[in-house]
Amino acid sequence: DTAVSQTPKYLVTQMGNDKSIKCEQNLGHDTMYWYKQDSKKFLKIMFSYNNKELIINETVPNRFSPKSPDKAHLNLHINSLELGDSAVYFCASRDRTISFRQYFGPGTRLTVT
Amino acid sequence: DQQVKQNSPSLSVQEGRISILNCDYTNSMFDYFLWYKKYPAEGPTFLISISSIKDKNEDGRFTVFLNKSAKHLSLHIVPSQPGDSAVYFCAAGGADGLTFGKGTHLIIQP
Repeated sequence: DTAVSQTPKYLVTQMGNDKSIKCEQNLGHDTMYWYKQDSKKFLKIMFSYNNKELIINETVPNRFSPKSPDKAHLNLHINSLELGDSAVYFCASRDRTISFRQYFGPGTRLTVT
Repeated sequence: DQQVKQNSPSLSVQEGRISILNCDYTNSMFDYFLWYKKYPAEGPTFLISISSIKDKNEDGRFTVFLNKSAKHLSLHIVPSQPGDSAVYFCAAGGADGLTFGKGTHLIIQP
């Protein structure tokens, strides 16, 4: 059973479109994250979210918004896609009461043309 | 400004020998450190961690050393095996998330 899953694995779209990436974790964790790995291979945190608090990395454009329908899901919505949004996006989760270890999904490769 | 640095983009080690991967950080507020391993087209998988109150943590072939005064940590893999070939990310953090280094591509030569 996959602990953290993401869909789709690959996403190719045109500039200006709006798209979503879904993330689900079946670990019962209370905190979820979105990371972006850009062309320089840096993994940078975008959002940290639990039931009570959303923490946004200030460098993330407001075209990006996380939406959590329930504790097990944290979806990433991107409006007005730009060429520079092309990257691999990773979802992760963690149980803050037990460990600081984060579990990562397989990633979604987004290509904006 | 990179708060976590892995200065070696790649490292080649012979099978059976020791692999040593290094990581430096600048933020003294980091209170735990982790190493992740990543294969192509997969997400990072957790390898080993250490909290700031310790200077060594060992798990099988993997040992992480932390030198807080130098703001330096290292991962030792011994003996190195072909399956260890991957990109290794050093990460440091607190409650809000992890700050990653750029990764070191470890290549184990037969």
